[in-house]
Amino acid sequence: SVLLYQKPNRDICQSGTSLKIQCVADSQVVSMFWYQQFQEQSLMLMATANEGSEATYESGFTKDKFPISRPNLTFSTLTVNNARPGDSSIYFCSSSLGGQDTQYFGPGTRLLVL
Amino acid sequence: GQQVQQSPASLVLQEGENAELQCNFSSTATQLQWFYQSPGGSLVSLLSNPSGTKHTGRLTSTTVTKERRSSLHISSSQTTDSGTYLCAQFNMGYKLTFGTGTSLLVDP
Repeated sequence: SVLLYQKPNRDICQSGTSLKIQCVADSQVVSMFWYQQFQEQSLMLMATANEGSEATYESGFTKDKFPISRPNLTFSTLTVNNARPGDSSIYFCSSSLGGQDTQYFGPGTRLLVL
Repeated sequence: GQQVQQSPASLVLQEGENAELQCNFSSTATQLQWFYQSPGGSLVSLLSNPSGTKHTGRLTSTTVTKERRSSLHISSSQTTDSGTYLCAQFNMGYKLTFGTGTSLLVDP
């Protein structure tokens, strides 16, 4: 299995500010994924991040709004730029040991934008 | 696009009763995974089951791929089972598409 850690657990920020969410894996993984979950809704894949290449974004998510870095095989950072109340949600990182193997998720970062 | 539908949307049980949760997916999935989300939001993988029947503890998952359905059976429910159960299918090789979830409440 893969253990994933996220920091911070939760954050409150003002509209217009930017914040970073970090994800660390306890072993080297090829791909890391970022998901967004609004309250009472299901998880939506935002982007896929592989080491050394630009993240691939899903429809509705952009690099300008949610830049993602993947500097090595155990680490990724999601930034929320120009945060708005509509960005208030839980952000999860996930990964697997490969392909369609079981996916594991971090504990999530609960963001509230005022 | 890919759709994953779950039923029932919510379920209330008395402790000790069994639960049967359903998941229907819109295309042939090569991997299906069940998750538990706690009331606090943390997400735990329960079972990966692309086809057939798998057991772990009090959980049994049966997936019939050609019928595009999967079920999760929880036996002898406990109050600590309360939370949301999500199924998700792999599509495009590695992307997970999540269902809408079943909210389970087990009363003592």
